[in-house]
Amino acid sequence: DAMVIQNPRYQVTQFGKPVTLSCSQTLNHNVMYWYQQKSSQAPKLLFHYYDKDFNNEADTPDNFQSRRPNTSFCFLDIRSPGLGDAAMYLCATSSRGGVLNEQFFGPGTRLTVL
Amino acid sequence: GEDVEQSLFLSVREGDSSVINCTYTDSSSTYLYWYKQEPGAGLQLLTYIFSNMDMKQDQRLTVLLNKKDKHLSLRIADTQTGDSAIYFCAERGGNTGKLIFGQGTTLQVKP
Repeated sequence: DAMVIQNPRYQVTQFGKPVTLSCSQTLNHNVMYWYQQKSSQAPKLLFHYYDKDFNNEADTPDNFQSRRPNTSFCFLDIRSPGLGDAAMYLCATSSRGGVLNEQFFGPGTRLTVL
Repeated sequence: GEDVEQSLFLSVREGDSSVINCTYTDSSSTYLYWYKQEPGAGLQLLTYIFSNMDMKQDQRLTVLLNKKDKHLSLRIADTQTGDSAIYFCAERGGNTGKLIFGQGTTLQVKP
């Protein structure tokens, strides 16, 4: 089945230790998104790629970076995680050509910062 | 600006109807969506409504849109324990095309 896969599902890191979260998709969608979701809060868009074009949200901290080496994969790098970065990180994809702009979400990676 | 608000919690008995409400601010929104998030899972699109519609029905789900009041609701008929989840309202911002989510309503279904 076509899907959005996130690895790992749970990630524990230490304060200040760089961490990378992974997302892959078999939908061949041209847009990939990274969201941060804290407990009882709305998912917050960090950035997205439209093909290879990177679009950063204005309020996304510099601590968060992303890479998209090809259509299928997208990575979220947190250079120096702080305690406030503990959250669920959701990857999503969409086909920009679609009228509905439906976003398909992965199961998320829960990040714990010790 | 763009903002979406929902009540945080709703509890119903199995077999009753559930109504989850949402308000939004962007009058230029083109589509409005309802997503469902089960524990440990990502968000799954449940249903959507185009901004020029007042109502959309899809099996047990009914979406009502009051564009004048910028109010959206999701009604689930004959609510089942499997409907227990967090429900997110989202609008597709007219200017940006981005999805703006509400903070989610936790639906608890009691047997």
